[in-house]
Amino acid sequence: GAVVSQHPSWVICKSGTSVKIECRSLDFQATTMFWYRQFPKQSLMLMATSNEGSKATYEQGVEKDKFLINHASLTLSTLTVTSAHPEDSSFYICSARIPSASSYNEQFFGPGTRLTVL
Amino acid sequence: QKEVEQDPGPLSVPEGAIVSLNCTYSNSAFQYFMWYRQYSRKGPELLMYTYSSGNKEDGRFTAQVDKSSKYISLFIRDSQPSDSATYLCAMRDGQNFVFGPGTRLSVLP
Repeated sequence: GAVVSQHPSWVICKSGTSVKIECRSLDFQATTMFWYRQFPKQSLMLMATSNEGSKATYEQGVEKDKFLINHASLTLSTLTVTSAHPEDSSFYICSARIPSASSYNEQFFGPGTRLTVL
Repeated sequence: QKEVEQDPGPLSVPEGAIVSLNCTYSNSAFQYFMWYRQYSRKGPELLMYTYSSGNKEDGRFTAQVDKSSKYISLFIRDSQPSDSATYLCAMRDGQNFVFGPGTRLSVLP
């Protein structure tokens, strides 16, 4: 099956610093990747849709200047949390969609990155 | 009304029980219906997907979709402690992908 990796799996940083999270599709090319955040015991909240070679599309209420997304290749998307604050502490999960002739396009999820901002 | 609703649980059952997990939705344009399982501190993994109405069975898991009632279900037979996780329903129409809030399930040995 399709594998999506994330790095790092967890990170602790000081308030005010920036943190970069990588999402890679290991055995397929993903023209579209998604970034979610998940607070404890809550569901996934879509933050943005990342399309290779173009600007990301952000969901309402998500600050694009704070959460920078770059999808520079068909296998890599990065999320940079700039000037992180304790309220940004969360579980960040990416997913990648396999483009296919079928209209059913499954999402494969990465293992997530737990960010703790002190 | 939220687009997708799901009983958050937690739901606790004894080992071997039949589990029924359910979601309701409001958007009649949804055509693809998925169930994901998420273990604590892990990313979701796809369990089942169904197109339009009907049933689909895979081992101990059965997914059921009733588009006329805008209601989907996941049944787990002979539940095991390893089934303890959060189960998320998801559905899509075209490009719009929506998750339910998830149901926490605990299967007690």
